[in-house]
Amino acid sequence: DIVMTQSPDSLAVSLGERATINCKSSQSILYSSNNENSLNWYQQKPGQPPKLLIYWASTRESGVPDRFSGSGSGTDFTLTISSLQADDVAVYYCQQYYSTPYTFGQGTKLEIK
Amino acid sequence: QVQLVQSGSELKKPGASVKVSCKASGYTFTSYGLNWVRQAPGQGLEWMGWINTNTWNPTYARGFTGRFVFSLDTSVSTAYLEISGLKADDTAIYYCARGIMNRGSLDYWGQGTLVTVSS
Repeated sequence: DIVMTQSPDSLAVSLGERATINCKSSQSILYSSNNENSLNWYQQKPGQPPKLLIYWASTRESGVPDRFSGSGSGTDFTLTISSLQADDVAVYYCQQYYSTPYTFGQGTKLEIK
Repeated sequence: QVQLVQSGSELKKPGASVKVSCKASGYTFTSYGLNWVRQAPGQGLEWMGWINTNTWNPTYARGFTGRFVFSLDTSVSTAYLEISGLKADDTAIYYCARGIMNRGSLDYWGQGTLVTVSS
């Protein structure tokens, strides 16, 4: 199974500042057939199901604000929130879909400083 | 609009079985996979597996074989998760989620079903 490891486990950022969450896979998740990385990012707020933010490592889902961006390739990936808003307080998860089981990272809790 | 509506919370005794339903609406049920994700209290997300709504072929993650069964009733656009031989550590919220067929992105989620296993 591919192991997904996120860092940090928790993060406190001031409103308007940049937040960066990292995700590392235990093996490359780059699809050679389309040269895309098989990585999703989700946001989960308390008491709610997760929400898909980004797929193919850097493609924003429809309706997701452009302050959210994804980057990286191979085994190392980053979710960046360019200017933190109060509504962004949540737990963020990465997930690989290169091979089953489609494993999640352990989550990163993002709070306001 | 796309919706996945799950059945309500369940309280079960150890050793019992439970069947969680997930009714889909607002899209062609057989055009997307149906995934199941577990979240234990205060813990992260755990992908349990998925079922192909065209072939009815299920794929189970390690740790979710044997006691866990995914099934479908395509006539009513509904997926089911049945868990037998319940244990205390099966206590969790179980989510169904629509999966894009050519990638593992889960773009719509049910509201979750809390299954509590307690004597």
